[in-house]
Amino acid sequence: QQQVKQSPQSLIVQKGGISIINCAYENTAFDYFPWYQQFPGKGPALLIAIRPDVSEKKEGRFTISFNKSAKQFSLHIMDSQPGDSATYFCAASMRSGGGADGLTFGKGTHLIIQP
Amino acid sequence: ETGVTQSPTHLIKTRGQQVTLRCSSQSGHNTVSWYQQALGQGPQFIFQYYREEENGRGNFPPRFSGLQFPNYSSELNVNALELDDSALYLCASSPATGGANYGYTFGSGTRLTVV
Repeated sequence: QQQVKQSPQSLIVQKGGISIINCAYENTAFDYFPWYQQFPGKGPALLIAIRPDVSEKKEGRFTISFNKSAKQFSLHIMDSQPGDSATYFCAASMRSGGGADGLTFGKGTHLIIQP
Repeated sequence: ETGVTQSPTHLIKTRGQQVTLRCSSQSGHNTVSWYQQALGQGPQFIFQYYREEENGRGNFPPRFSGLQFPNYSSELNVNALELDDSALYLCASSPATGGANYGYTFGSGTRLTVV
């Protein structure tokens, strides 16, 4: 059972455009939603995260939008740059589990920013 | 401040063999988690170690086992290797037992190929 569904699988955006990646979750016990960025040959790196008590969080060019009733959240990358080209993973976890249940990741989105 | 280091970077094993992967956590981090990332997929949680004990486990069989040492470094052991065990194995450290909820620091991984 895939508990976090991510789309699209791949995305091509022109430099300066907005990149949007969407995720949907099934388990209503999830209450922490991070996004990780992974470059080839490297491990994932935490980009930004949100908890369900807020509907939006912004850090620089990166924004998470969260819709608790729809069980969906999305990552927006404003003014996308070629250096943003990477694979992006959404994830979810349960604070009630103390984090010991680990993160449940989506399958990833391969983002290419064209110059 | 050093990050998470993993060894070896690449490994080829024969089906049925046993393998040990190693991880040194980031300075100041006392919790280590292991993830399996198949090609083109998101990482999957194997288990978490805190205070030298396993305190969380994903949906992996008992032939996946681990250790954590007093210096917080860790090992992942896989017995009776199967072809489907071929993947990138990621180690992640965090400053608290609720690692998933605080943001991991991932290593670059060990690429295991089972032939």
